[in-house]
Amino acid sequence: DAMVIQNPRYQVTQFGKPVTLSCSQTLNHNVMYWYQQKSSQAPKLLFHYYDKDFNNEADTPDNFQSRRPNTSFCFLDIRSPGLGDAAMYLCATSGSSGQRYEQYFGPGTRLTVT
Amino acid sequence: QKEVEQNSGPLSVPEGAIASLNCTYSDRVSQSFFWYRQYSGKSPELIMSIYSNGDKEDGRFTAQLNKASQYVSLLIRDSQPSDSATYLCAVITLRAGGTSYGKLTFGQGTILTVHP
Repeated sequence: DAMVIQNPRYQVTQFGKPVTLSCSQTLNHNVMYWYQQKSSQAPKLLFHYYDKDFNNEADTPDNFQSRRPNTSFCFLDIRSPGLGDAAMYLCATSGSSGQRYEQYFGPGTRLTVT
Repeated sequence: QKEVEQNSGPLSVPEGAIASLNCTYSDRVSQSFFWYRQYSGKSPELIMSIYSNGDKEDGRFTAQLNKASQYVSLLIRDSQPSDSATYLCAVITLRAGGTSYGKLTFGQGTILTVHP
């Protein structure tokens, strides 16, 4: 089945220790998104890629970076995690043609910062 | 005014009843509307998308869109305990000259509890 995969599902890192989260998709979608979701809040968009074009949200901290080496994979790098970065990180994908923009989410990575 | 607002909830309904979830949006030119279901600790799952005025039915779910009144709703018939989750309303608004895909604007979510 076509899907969005995220690894790892759970990640524990130490304060200030860089961490990388990965996302892959078999949907052949050209748009990939990274969201941060904290408890009882809606997902918050960090950035997205349209093909290789990177689009950063204005309020995304510089501590968050992303890479998309090819259509299928996208990475979220947190350079110096703080306690406030503990959250669920969600990857999503969508197409860009016609009027259908449904976004499909991966299972998420739960990040804990100690 | 928030861009997308949902009824605050939590909403509690008995098993077998109809659950009604409502959402209003502020931008009159919004084009695409979605309902996501999110179980505790899980990621959002797309359950309905609607683009035109009227009703769209899928199994026990019916989405209703009224662009003149700027609201979209989700009805769940014959509610089951397994429907207990947070329901997120999301909207995409495309701008003239903008990209052909869109960023989701989420409401704050409504927690639904279906009790036996």
